Order: sequence, then structure tokens, then C-alpha cells
Amino acid sequence: SYVLTQPPSVSVAPGKTARITCGGNNIGSKSVHWYLQKPGQAPVLVIYYDSDRPSGIPERFSGSNSGNTATLTISRVEAGDEADYYCQVWDSSSDHYVFGTGTKVTVL
Amino acid sequence: QVQLQESGPGLVKPSETLSLTCTVSGGSISSINNYYWNWIRQPPGKGLEWIGYIYYSGSTNYSPSLKSRVTISVHTSKNQFSLRLSSVTAADTAVYYCARGKQLSGMDVWGQGTTVTVSS
Repeated sequence: SYVLTQPPSVSVAPGKTARITCGGNNIGSKSVHWYLQKPGQAPVLVIYYDSDRPSGIPERFSGSNSGNTATLTISRVEAGDEADYYCQVWDSSSDHYVFGTGTKVTVL
Repeated sequence: QVQLQESGPGLVKPSETLSLTCTVSGGSISSINNYYWNWIRQPPGKGLEWIGYIYYSGSTNYSPSLKSRVTISVHTSKNQFSLRLSSVTAADTAVYYCARGKQLSGMDVWGQGTTVTVSS
């Protein structure tokens, strides 16, 4: 089955840029979605189709996808961005959803 | 706007069957085309695990690791879909979420989640 690998943690200072990677075999050929999850809350979709933002998501959140790595970039990081972030793809070979391992973003 | 709400027992005994329901409000589950109606779970302190979905057409697909124990069904008259997970063990203790999704646009609506503990 398809595997998505994320770094366990990323630390970033307020006002700086956080980059969270999601690695998978030829992930650039797939549509990648990103979710943030704060403690005790359900996940929230922040990026879909590699780089599109749902309504209500700040422009500070952006995404890219190429080769074997997809990246979620959070610009001008705020304390409120501290959360767990998960990537996700649709594996067309099996018609399954697959979640990444998750990354905890800590704002210093 | 569409909202989802999970419901079901919070405590299940080992070897028994876990049963949860997701109620869809703000739209008809059978007329919202091209959506996959999903179940996802999250064990304490761990990541998200996709369990399976039922497509608006009624077809289903399940995670290979759970396939032998999972059934997802839809109840259009009640605007609900449900999850049954048989022969549960402590490893099935988790927060269970239902979510609406599409292949190319991710899961855009989630329930708040319901905690299920497997214990005697």
C-alpha cells in the first residue's frame, strides 16, 4: 500500500516560515491535501489539490507538489498555527485514501 | 451548509462489535453527488487512520488492515451512514470521525469525533 512520510516535528519562530514535507513514491502525480488538527478538535482541511485553499483559510498557507515530495508552507507563522499537520492523497491504484504520519508544528 | 455528527456507544467490550452512526444535516446524503462518506479513526496520541468509505452510489472500499472486520452502510431515509467493526480489541480504542470527501478535493467536512473505548 502507498506510504506517506512526514517529519515528526517542525519548530518555527513567530513571523518566520514553516515548511512541512510529505514524501511518497511519485507523489507529484497525485493530488495532495493537507489538514491541521488542534488538540481535542477534528482535522480541518487547509490545502486541497496540491495548492488550493478552501474558503476561510489564510493566504499564509500554501502548498506545492513535485517528484517525490509535497510541501505545506506556512508564512508569517503565528502562535495559533501550532497544531498537528497531516498530508493525504487518493491512491488511485486501490481507490483508497492514505494519510501521512503527521507533523507537530511548534511555535517557539 | 452540510454538517456531520457521530453517535454511538462510548464503551465496547472486547470481542464485541463497535457500531457508530454519522448523521448528515444540511443536505441529502443521496443527492450530494460524487462524495465519498468516510470513517477515520485516531488512537490516543497517534495519527489519523482511514477506515473506509461508502460512495454516494453505494459502493464501498475499506482499509486493507481492517477490511475483514469492517462494514460501512448507508441509510438514505435517515440521512445517515454507519460503521460496524467486529471483534474489537483494545487496539481499536480511538476517536472515530466521519467525514465527507472527494478524490481531488480532500475531506472538507468532518464530524466532531466520538471517543470509543474497548474495555471489559
